[in-house]
Amino acid sequence: DVKVTQSSRYLVKRTGEKVFLECVQDMDHENMFWYRQDPGLGLRLIYFSYDVKMKEKGDIPEGYSVSREKKERFSLILESASTNQTSMYLCASLRAGTGISGNTIYFGEGSWLTVV
Amino acid sequence: GENVEQHPSTLSVQEGDSAVIKCTYSDSASNYFPWYKQELGKRPQLIIDIRSNVGEKKDQRIAVTLNKTAKHFSLHITETQPEDSAVYFCAATSYNQGGKLIFGQGTELSVKP
Repeated sequence: DVKVTQSSRYLVKRTGEKVFLECVQDMDHENMFWYRQDPGLGLRLIYFSYDVKMKEKGDIPEGYSVSREKKERFSLILESASTNQTSMYLCASLRAGTGISGNTIYFGEGSWLTVV
Repeated sequence: GENVEQHPSTLSVQEGDSAVIKCTYSDSASNYFPWYKQELGKRPQLIIDIRSNVGEKKDQRIAVTLNKTAKHFSLHITETQPEDSAVYFCAATSYNQGGKLIFGQGTELSVKP
């Protein structure tokens, strides 16, 4: 029943490390998203992708990059992790052309990242 | 771009009371407004949504109202139960945004037995 999978649920990384957060969906969706969730700030969009090898910046892209080499996989990369990137990261996917509907947006279970 | 403000940040009610959470948005082009419930450690789950051509929508104990002129929408939960305790998020987008949701800051609802 799980449709969007974030392989790492809990990670602890050191400052300066390169971090990869992986998201895989098995629904052949074109659109994929990375959000960051912090208490009191809600979910903020980091990057999104409408197709393989395509990416667009969201509201808070600084310090992050993404990779979409295959349609089913959307990776979030922290080139040099910092303590202010300690957060919960949520991936989501949507089939293009369905028209926006909450029922067609699927979220992963989240990845809790702690940078020490 | 779109900006969504959500209030209150925390809300505590007695079981059986009603709870109301309010959101305002800035982009008049937004035309789809979902509400999500997120229980601790779990992914957000859609609970109700409303499109801009509708002023109100109801699903059992949950209702959402939309005022396009004022650019605000609200979630109403009646006869609250302890299992309603969670964080609730509103969001806004338009049909041509390809699913790019802009979320409010979240409301932590606590329903006391």
